[in-house]
Amino acid sequence: QKEVEQDPGPLSVPEGAIVSLNCTYSNSAFQYFMWYRQYSRKGPELLMYTYSSGNKEDGRFTAQVDKSSKYISLFIRDSQPSDSATYLCAMSRTSYDKVIFGPGTSLSVIP
Amino acid sequence: DTGVSQNPRHKITKRGQNVTFRCDPISEHNRLYWYRQTLGQGPEFLTYFQNEAQLEKSRLLSDRFSAERPKGSFSTLEIQRTEQGDSAMYLCASSLDPAGEKLFFGSGTQLSVL
Repeated sequence: QKEVEQDPGPLSVPEGAIVSLNCTYSNSAFQYFMWYRQYSRKGPELLMYTYSSGNKEDGRFTAQVDKSSKYISLFIRDSQPSDSATYLCAMSRTSYDKVIFGPGTSLSVIP
Repeated sequence: DTGVSQNPRHKITKRGQNVTFRCDPISEHNRLYWYRQTLGQGPEFLTYFQNEAQLEKSRLLSDRFSAERPKGSFSTLEIQRTEQGDSAMYLCASSLDPAGEKLFFGSGTQLSVL
């Protein structure tokens, strides 16, 4: 079993839809949870960052962490064609530890 | 441009040859990471440095791979005796303590081994 699991998709939604992306993990020691967005032929870029459990909102994006279920989510409201990318969940045990990535979910937002 | 810079962007080599990639991190960042990414997969951790010290190397990493970060500035990743299975995107990222988990990535070096 991989440490971090993620539905690879591809996920295709119409413009304006609410998108839900999810990851599960096996290591209960993870405390830092991130979402990265990766456009084709580019490096990943940090989108959201959460420490421990709870919700965090930034514009159209909301990140949720449920440590009891070892489950994290990213919600995108009013999705735009420019949101079309691969979304990678990532996590680490401490701010000094290596970051482990999920396999990514490919998202297409259709105009 | 003050982002993470990687060179070359593309590298084509024949099996058995040695290749070296360079990464220039964001100047004030003291942490530097190397990841490998294949199509349809997330970045796979290879190794990371804090300043010039190599703190961890993936157990999955063959002895053919070596990385250095002299003087805690730029870093090089060398692959000796390349194999077709080494074909991948090699990504470099940097971060600044104490927010070590917030990685800033370069655009990567795409390696093709023929």
